[in-house]
Amino acid sequence: DIVMTQSPDSLAVSLGERATINCKSSQSVLFSSNKKNYLAWYQQKPGQPPKLLIDWASTRESGVPDRFSGSGSGTDFTLTISSLQAEDVAVYYCHQYYGDSYTFGQGTKLEIK
Amino acid sequence: QVQLQQWGAGLLRPSETLSLTCAVSGESFSDYYWSWIRQPPGKGLEWIGEINHSGSTKYNPSLKTRVTISVDTSMNHFSLKLSSVTAADTAVYYCARVESGSGYGPLDHWGQGTLVTVSP
Repeated sequence: DIVMTQSPDSLAVSLGERATINCKSSQSVLFSSNKKNYLAWYQQKPGQPPKLLIDWASTRESGVPDRFSGSGSGTDFTLTISSLQAEDVAVYYCHQYYGDSYTFGQGTKLEIK
Repeated sequence: QVQLQQWGAGLLRPSETLSLTCAVSGESFSDYYWSWIRQPPGKGLEWIGEINHSGSTKYNPSLKTRVTISVDTSMNHFSLKLSSVTAADTAVYYCARVESGSGYGPLDHWGQGTLVTVSP
């Protein structure tokens, strides 16, 4: 299985400040034939299912605010929230769908400082 | 707009079989793969497996010996069975759509989740 490791496990950021979450995969999730990274980011709030924010490492889903952005390639990826809003408090997960068995990062809990 | 509605028994005894069903509406069932994911209380997400309309499946190797995912295309339903459950299988179980017809894609629509508790 591809192991996904997020850092940090938790993060406290002031309103309006930048939040950065990292995700590292144990092997590359870049598919050479189409040059796509098989990596997604989700936001989960208490009592709700995860919500897809970004797929293919950097493509924002329709309706997701543009303060959310994804970057990276191969084995190292980043989710950035450019200006933290109160409604962004949640747990964030990265997810690889490259291998025959999908795996998720352990999650990063984002709070307001 | 695709909607996933799931149901099934919420309380099981050890050694019983977990059974959940997810109904899909609003989109073409046959164009996508459909997945099950679980989340133990207070913990992270674990992928269980996926299926397409023709019954092609992929399973998490760690659960493969106990998991069966099936599909009923006449009803646009897909189902999960997990045998010989233990307390370690206590979790919220989610169904979700794989945003891909090839079986390799993000999970773009999710069911509401079903809490399954395994207790003597």
